[in-house]
Amino acid sequence: QSVLTQPPSAAGTPGQRVTISCSGSSSNIGSNTVSWYQHLPGTAPKLLMFSDNQRPSGVPDRISGSKSGTTASLAISGLQSDDEAHYYCAAWDDSVSGHVVFGGGTKLTVL
Amino acid sequence: QVQLQESGPGQVKPSQTLSLSCTVSGASITSGSYYWSWLRQLPGGGLEWIGYISHSGDTSYNPSLRSRVTFSRDTSKNQFSLNLSSLTAADTAIYFCARGLCLYGDCFDCWGQGTLVTVSP
Repeated sequence: QSVLTQPPSAAGTPGQRVTISCSGSSSNIGSNTVSWYQHLPGTAPKLLMFSDNQRPSGVPDRISGSKSGTTASLAISGLQSDDEAHYYCAAWDDSVSGHVVFGGGTKLTVL
Repeated sequence: QVQLQESGPGQVKPSQTLSLSCTVSGASITSGSYYWSWLRQLPGGGLEWIGYISHSGDTSYNPSLRSRVTFSRDTSKNQFSLNLSSLTAADTAIYFCARGLCLYGDCFDCWGQGTLVTVSP
């Protein structure tokens, strides 16, 4: 059972915009920033977003992040076939001396 | 370009101790405000943070694993290591090392490819 809650799956057609949510609490998302990762099995996860809405260099601007209260969101517009992957959110949690918590992951399918 | 590479046994017996190392190239583990981290992906797919050893040698552990985990480093080899004791089948996972950034080392910009560790008799 993950501390952060993500929908297990999401889907869209090429060119569409999809949004993946990540719900937490006041001890994690509500008081700390969120990062997002793209993961293909057998590969290293890739950082897509940090500090809620900051893109590392090389991540296209069709990918964006936002946060409101205890819920963060990752939006991917202009959906492409190689966006098909698992997506995870993460945040620092202030409870129990502090630690990083993750969402359970969302499998994005490009139809 | 920063690269990380995990190394260690692919299979360990229950109750034994797992030892993994991560060799870093392209960056020094003793410089910069980085948190050299261990994470794992459990069979169900979820990611779990194990903890970090910072550039200054400070450590932070996941409370759920703290009693069984120890981090160390060999600065001459630019390596950091994980020891996880009293293994059970629930520790079967893909183990990743990564470089942590952000305020608490809670975002990870460079990852190793991961190494599968199976705990079985």
